[in-house]
Amino acid sequence: QEQLVESGGDLVKPGGSLRLSCAASGFSFSDYYMSWVRQVPGKGLEWIAYIDKPGNTVYYADSVKGRFTMSRDNAQNSVFLQLNSLRADDTAIYYCTRRNYNDQWGQGTLVTVSS
Amino acid sequence: EILMTQSPATLSVSPGESVTLSCRATQSVGTNLAWHQQQPGQAPRLLIYSASSRAPGIPARFSGSGSGTEFTLTISSLQSEDFAVYYCQQYNDWPPMHSFGQGTKLEIK
Repeated sequence: QEQLVESGGDLVKPGGSLRLSCAASGFSFSDYYMSWVRQVPGKGLEWIAYIDKPGNTVYYADSVKGRFTMSRDNAQNSVFLQLNSLRADDTAIYYCTRRNYNDQWGQGTLVTVSS
Repeated sequence: EILMTQSPATLSVSPGESVTLSCRATQSVGTNLAWHQQQPGQAPRLLIYSASSRAPGIPARFSGSGSGTEFTLTISSLQSEDFAVYYCQQYNDWPPMHSFGQGTKLEIK
């Protein structure tokens, strides 16, 4: 069945870096735009990044622009999110999603930024 | 930037009743509007896209309507598993921002 599985979440100190991965299966990965959406525990959803099908163009929310980098590897059916210069307010569950209307969601991976 | 506002923030309803949730956009999004449901401790899941199309596997008691700036999600004959948080999300803008509403929590009365 169609599935997205995130990994890479961890506890990291302010100013640190982390790389999140999302492995896709059960569908033709290269045919879809992909996104990352995050959620502070107990709070709402925030779209943060979006990548086109070949991986040539990426868009970011202002809150992460210049610090986060989204990429994809269609041969590995995977999408990635490099998180740099992390701050306490980046603490959240990070979800990988498919399509502009998020028709598939992964289970999420928790990133905690704390000293 | 398109801002999405949902109302009410919390709704207390009894099982078996019907309920309508509202979502408003600060500018027209056409019918590029989705609704997502999130159960406690779980990832969200898509219910409705294109304002009124049900996602695969979603029961017929869920229906969406609206266009432009005003949208509604109606759930008829509420089941116990429907008590959750519901988010609307627009995907009309370009470059994409794909903003979400703040959510409506549906709780058991």
